[in-house]
Order: sequence, then structure tokens, then C-alpha cells
Amino acid sequence: AQTVTQSQPEMSVQEAETVTLSCTYDTSENNYYLFWYKQPPSRQMILVIRQEAYKQQNATENRFSVNFQKAAKSFSLKISDSQLGDTAMYFCASLPYNNNDMRFGAGTRLTVKP
Amino acid sequence: DGGITQSPKYLFRKEGQNVTLSCEQNLNHDAMYWYRQDPGQGLRLIYYSQIVNDFQKGDIAEGYSVSREKKESFPLTVTSAQKNPTAFYLCASSTGLAGGGRQFFGPGTRLTVL
Repeated sequence: AQTVTQSQPEMSVQEAETVTLSCTYDTSENNYYLFWYKQPPSRQMILVIRQEAYKQQNATENRFSVNFQKAAKSFSLKISDSQLGDTAMYFCASLPYNNNDMRFGAGTRLTVKP
Repeated sequence: DGGITQSPKYLFRKEGQNVTLSCEQNLNHDAMYWYRQDPGQGLRLIYYSQIVNDFQKGDIAEGYSVSREKKESFPLTVTSAQKNPTAFYLCASSTGLAGGGRQFFGPGTRLTVL
């Protein structure tokens, strides 16, 4: 079974600054997807970014980018130019190619300060 | 608008009662999922269904039951056998692994046992 670990329960960042959220995972699969989801106070889960494990290039979506280190099983999220609306819980998740068993980390609560 | 709806938003149950949480999607997705979220923890999979009339247990299926009679609907029943049902419940759907694994989430139902 896969496991996903987020070692930072809470983080804060000043508006317009950059912050990096950490995620490590453990899987015996060779092919899998990795995700970062955002859950704002409304509790609606929103996909931030997705990475396919066979792709070496790090995924980027506007101000959000990842640092994917497959050998180290690390998948960190970098948020540039932080905005107040980025305040939320962030969950890292992994999903093997061969089943629907998505595993989530415990989450990191990010607060963006004005 | 396409999306996933969950009802009710808040649900109160007396001990010993069964309750059913509704989840409907109009995204034409084959796969649907139920997750439970507790404070300080990530999402944990209760059940998932890859196709109509078929479903699989997740890690914490005990005390829960589901049905998938229609593609659009995946109701979750919390039975009296569930020892600690107070939690936030999220429903999700996806096109499945062939679609990149991305799951779309509903707004959630908060269940409180009185």
C-alpha cells in the first residue's frame, strides 16, 4: 500500500513571498500520478497541480510548480507570489496507474499574511 | 453547470440510526468515490465504484454501505454499526485512470451524531 507524508502541519508566508510545502511518499509501483489539492475554508477540494511519475519534467500551473524527485520519492509544491486567497489546507496525494486507491497526506495548513 | 452535488450539507443523527448521504454527478464520469475526513487527517477512502452495479471497499468500509444503480448516483449509508460516524464526508468522481486520475469533488456533508 502507498503512504503519503506531509511533515509540516502548519506554515505561514507573507503576501507576495514564495513558500514550499513538502511531501514524501512510499510506493512499490513504478507508474503513478501525484497530486496537490487545495481545501480552502469552504472545504471544497480543488486540484492545484498534477504530475505523472514517468515524466521527468516538473509540472507547472501559473504560480504553482512542483519539485518531483522520483528516486527520493519527494513531491514538493512551490507557491510563488503568494496571495491571500492561497490560504487553505493543502493535501498531497498519490494514485497508482493500476487502481483507484488514491492516498492522501494529512495536510499542511497554509496561512498567507498581509 | 456540470458538477457534483452532495446533500444535505449538514446532517444530524441520533445514535442507533442509519442515515444516507446523497451524491449525484452530471459529468458522465464512470468512477465515483466516498471519503471521510477527520480533523488533522487527510482523506480516507470508504468505498469506490468504477462502474454501475460494482463497488469496492476502501480502508475504512466497516459500518458503511453503498449502492451504484445509476451512473449519476452513488449514495452512502452510515449504519448504526459505525462506531464513530461524526466526520466530514466527501464524494468524488473521475473518468478513471485513463483520464489521468484526476478526481472532482463535491462540497461535502458534515455528519454529527447527537
